[in-house]
Amino acid sequence: AQSVTQLDSHVSVSEGTPVLLRCNYSSSYSPSLFWYVQHPNKGLQLLLKYTSAATLVKGINGFEAEFKKSETSFHLTKPSAHMSDAAEYFCVVSRVERGSTLGRLYFGRGTQLTVWP
Amino acid sequence: NAGVTQTPKFRILKIGQSMTLQCTQDMNHNYMYWYRQDPGMGLKLIYYSVGAGITDKGEVPNGYNVSRSTTEDFPLRLELAAPSQTSVYFCASNLAGGPIQETQYFGPGTRLLVL
Repeated sequence: AQSVTQLDSHVSVSEGTPVLLRCNYSSSYSPSLFWYVQHPNKGLQLLLKYTSAATLVKGINGFEAEFKKSETSFHLTKPSAHMSDAAEYFCVVSRVERGSTLGRLYFGRGTQLTVWP
Repeated sequence: NAGVTQTPKFRILKIGQSMTLQCTQDMNHNYMYWYRQDPGMGLKLIYYSVGAGITDKGEVPNGYNVSRSTTEDFPLRLELAAPSQTSVYFCASNLAGGPIQETQYFGPGTRLLVL
């Protein structure tokens, strides 16, 4: 079975300081992993995805995530937070259903990032 | 290019009422999806479609129906609203190949409250 755990429901940082949003996954095989961001009153937007190529994945807006198989983690980081980064972030693991060619996405509960000036 | 649009933005329903949530995309995407997001939870897949005339159930299909008569539109129908259907509903689409291979594009969501 696939599942994803986001370890923090809320993270607060000051502008210009590093961001760390933590995500652990469980999967019976090598998964594809994603981070999505949701700004207030907007739809979700893909930040980055890991699909078994390089373990360090760079995304949009300066975010990156590292796939660590030994720790079953896929934490999202950014060296310096900006006010515009304030949003909800979702860690997502994929699964291809038996008998289907369609991969499905399983979402974590989300981490709300607050950025203080 | 409007992307994925959803209407209405917000709706209050009484128990037992029915309604249709509209979703339209103008990107000529083959795959479309409906998710629900309950408070404090991640998104769960309700139904999906891989093309006009083809739909299939996701994780939580009970209490919902869908149809896909055109490439652009993928409406979600609630026949007998229940309080358990209070949620935020997101429509999404991607060109082909499913959400692992292709980036999904999401609409802004519809907030539904059933009282």
